[in-house]
Amino acid sequence: AQKVTQAQTEISVVEKEDVTLDCVYETRDTTYYLFWYKQPPSGELVFLIRRNSFDEQNEISGRYSWNFQKSTSSFNFTITASQVVDSAVYFCALSEMNSGGYQKVTFGTGTKLQVIP
Amino acid sequence: NAGVMQNPRHLVRRRGQEARLRCSPMKGHSHVYWYRQLPEEGLKFMVYLQKENIIDESGMPKERFSAEFPKEGPSILRIQQVVRGDSAAYFCASSPGAGDSYEQYFGPGTRLTVT
Repeated sequence: AQKVTQAQTEISVVEKEDVTLDCVYETRDTTYYLFWYKQPPSGELVFLIRRNSFDEQNEISGRYSWNFQKSTSSFNFTITASQVVDSAVYFCALSEMNSGGYQKVTFGTGTKLQVIP
Repeated sequence: NAGVMQNPRHLVRRRGQEARLRCSPMKGHSHVYWYRQLPEEGLKFMVYLQKENIIDESGMPKERFSAEFPKEGPSILRIQQVVRGDSAAYFCASSPGAGDSYEQYFGPGTRLTVT
């Protein structure tokens, strides 16, 4: 069964600090997708990234970067020079095909990030 | 191209009442997924539907909960005789296909409060 672990429940950083959110996953499939979502206090889910299991290249998007390490089953997310607007709950998720031929998405329990001005 | 729509965004029900949550998928999407987010937790899969069919309801509580996705109109998640423990955010997602190459697009969620 697939599983996503976000061991950090809450993190507080001071504005402009860098912060890394950890995500470790378990799956028996060789083909799967990994995601990160942001959930601000308003409650909606904001899609950040989707990564195919065959693409281990790290990705950078502005102040955001992602480190995908298949060897350690990790997909960590780093925010550089954090800002107060980054304060939110961040979810890591894993999608894989099940025996019925459709995808199932498993979410981690989330990491609450507080950026202090 | 409008995204996934959910309404109402906030719903308050007294214990014992019924709650109906609606999800209109993106145009061209015939696959709908419902997830529940209990307070301070991540999203948990509830049910997966295609038009007029329930494909996987393994995450749905056995009683009081039902879902449908009719040929015309939105998908409905129905909770009968709500209890305080049903208070949660309910998200739906839609995709154009079932395979994992198809991304799920999430709606803004419906926040159900049971008083």
